[in-house]
Amino acid sequence: DAKTTQPNSMESNEEEPVHLPCNHSTISGTDYIHWYRQLPSQGPEYVIHGLTSNVNNRMASLAIAEDRKSSTLILHRATLRDAAVYYCILRDVGIQGAQKLVFGQGTRLTINP
Amino acid sequence: ETGVTQSPTHLIKTRGQQVTLRCSSQSGHNTVSWYQQALGQGPQFIFQYYREEENGRGNFPPRFSGLQFPNYSSELNVNALELDDSALYLCASRTDRGFTNTQYFGPGTRLTVL
Repeated sequence: DAKTTQPNSMESNEEEPVHLPCNHSTISGTDYIHWYRQLPSQGPEYVIHGLTSNVNNRMASLAIAEDRKSSTLILHRATLRDAAVYYCILRDVGIQGAQKLVFGQGTRLTINP
Repeated sequence: ETGVTQSPTHLIKTRGQQVTLRCSSQSGHNTVSWYQQALGQGPQFIFQYYREEENGRGNFPPRFSGLQFPNYSSELNVNALELDDSALYLCASRTDRGFTNTQYFGPGTRLTVL
């Protein structure tokens, strides 16, 4: 399984931008980079995904390095509701087509009021 | 459009017992995956069902088994429960269309084995 490396925890202030880094040096050419987050007492929630180009959606932006060995999830204006564990994932597709998400430890993001 | 639901929300069993957890997929989703999340860890893939057949499995023993029904609801069965089976069990559903299809997770079932 392809691996990702993230800091265990990060802290930011409300209404400030947050940059969450992820390293994935063993990424293959067809691996999509996915980000999910898990709020307290909830299941993981999709945030964003990308392959090569930077991506934006209503929740966040994803900046992907040119060599694809790292990426950064950007929350443009953090709110208290963004406090969660953020997972950077390389989606793995098995021989029979099963698509499993290989979660690491994730980054626990704390937002200060 | 209803989301993914799971039942029960909490469950307490004793070692050696058997348990069945249930998941109702999001409308229109024909693929379901189950994950186990131990306290303080990320979710670990157990298996995936597509059109009522298991088509992928993680590193879990055969006492973890599943079913998917024609209406795409599913069950996770665990036999001979062990203390280490205490965890949050998550199901996630998705469609089979598109290559980067997002998985939608339910809130999970918290299983405690005593």
